[in-house]
Amino acid sequence: ETGVTQTPRHLVMGMTNKKSLKCEQHLGHNAMYWYKQSAKKPLELMFVYSLEERVENNSVPSRFSPECPNSSHLFLHLHTLQPEDSALYLCASSQSQGAGIHGYTFGSGTRLTVV
Amino acid sequence: QKEVEQDPGPLSVPEGAIVSLNCTYSNSAFQYFMWYRQYSRKGPELLMYTYSSGNKEDGRFTAQVDKSSKYISLFIRDSQPSDSATYLCAMSGGGNNNDMRFGAGTRLTVKP
Repeated sequence: ETGVTQTPRHLVMGMTNKKSLKCEQHLGHNAMYWYKQSAKKPLELMFVYSLEERVENNSVPSRFSPECPNSSHLFLHLHTLQPEDSALYLCASSQSQGAGIHGYTFGSGTRLTVV
Repeated sequence: QKEVEQDPGPLSVPEGAIVSLNCTYSNSAFQYFMWYRQYSRKGPELLMYTYSSGNKEDGRFTAQVDKSSKYISLFIRDSQPSDSATYLCAMSGGGNNNDMRFGAGTRLTVKP
């Protein structure tokens, strides 16, 4: 399998639940990202990992907790979310941090609904 | 003022039309300009990129950058129903700082 794979594709969770989103890349990239995509809004950068170290936490609430156990895998742990957290969560990777001219490779996203 | 402005549309055109998609930006440090295409229920995929000002052509797609006006465009010639998607502009200063900024995306429908 190639590219960036995200699971699950869809997730419905209550505000008291704990769930995790998974991202896996098979491109040999060294940087991975979590983005939030809401309707008619620009992509919001949440977290950046470079060589498995978190290099940016973009003022994201603590109810979102990332984990990067190795350069191929990235998780986003969710707990006590709010309805306004409902969105498409996209994972991306790039050869190196910052992407530059090469851009990012995105996964298909997890559509999260908080009820 | 938002760093990147993009009209979200929706934009609907007949098959064969020329489509013009645009973004404006405020950060003069941006040097790399990209267009991503996002089909329904998919993640964005890189369509074209340009460095600094100028034009770049790839088949039916042409990307233009005017840094003096802080304005970028994507033109689609002979548009096809398969071009129906959301188009996001993105830009960065390059290097290893995480300054990539995206537009909100323009939703395009090409009707047969």
